[in-house]
Amino acid sequence: AQSVTQLDSHVSVSEGTPVLLRCNYSSSYSPSLFWYVQHPNKGLQLLLKYTSAATLVKGINGFEAEFKKSETSFHLTKPSAHMSDAAEYFCVVSLFTGTASKLTFGTGTRLQVTL
Amino acid sequence: EAQVTQNPRYLITVTGKKLTVTCSQNMNHEYMSWYRQDPGLGLRQIYYSMNVEVTDKGDVPEGYKVSRKEKRNFPLILESPSPNQTSLYFCASGSNHGTSGSWYNEQFFGPGTRLTVL
Repeated sequence: AQSVTQLDSHVSVSEGTPVLLRCNYSSSYSPSLFWYVQHPNKGLQLLLKYTSAATLVKGINGFEAEFKKSETSFHLTKPSAHMSDAAEYFCVVSLFTGTASKLTFGTGTRLQVTL
Repeated sequence: EAQVTQNPRYLITVTGKKLTVTCSQNMNHEYMSWYRQDPGLGLRQIYYSMNVEVTDKGDVPEGYKVSRKEKRNFPLILESPSPNQTSLYFCASGSNHGTSGSWYNEQFFGPGTRLTVL
């Protein structure tokens, strides 16, 4: 079984300040983890992925995430928020065995960026 | 342009009237999947397909059907829609990557179909 917990349903930051979106996961297997972003009235876009290579993963638009196995966490960060970052962010754990595939989504964190 | 397309984008229907939401991808992906998104629940997987003629249930398959007769298409069928199926639906297709013991499936999402069942 696998699950994802996004610890904050809503995060508000000022433009230019750091962003931290928290994600904890549970998986019976070595997980692959993703962050997706959804802008208002848009589909989902892949921000970054962890697939058992480097534990610090860089994604698009200046976002990073660090896989910490001991803490079962995969928090998303960005040094300086921009107004265009306002969106909903989903942490996702993937189980893929070759004959079956399952993505489990967190419930999402809505990021608000203020002036 | 590589993309996943869904049609229609918006649909209002009545209880019991059969409908189909189409999904097509042009990336030659073997894997395709349907999700529904509801407030506070994130996205939940309805059905997925590992390849042509191979489909399997996700977390919330009740009330839905799918078929995969061609690699590029993966329609979602609601035989008798009910109001609790009012939701935002996403189709995704994916490619498999990795090596033995470390496989993952990277998915690309369509723009979504907002369905209202009255």
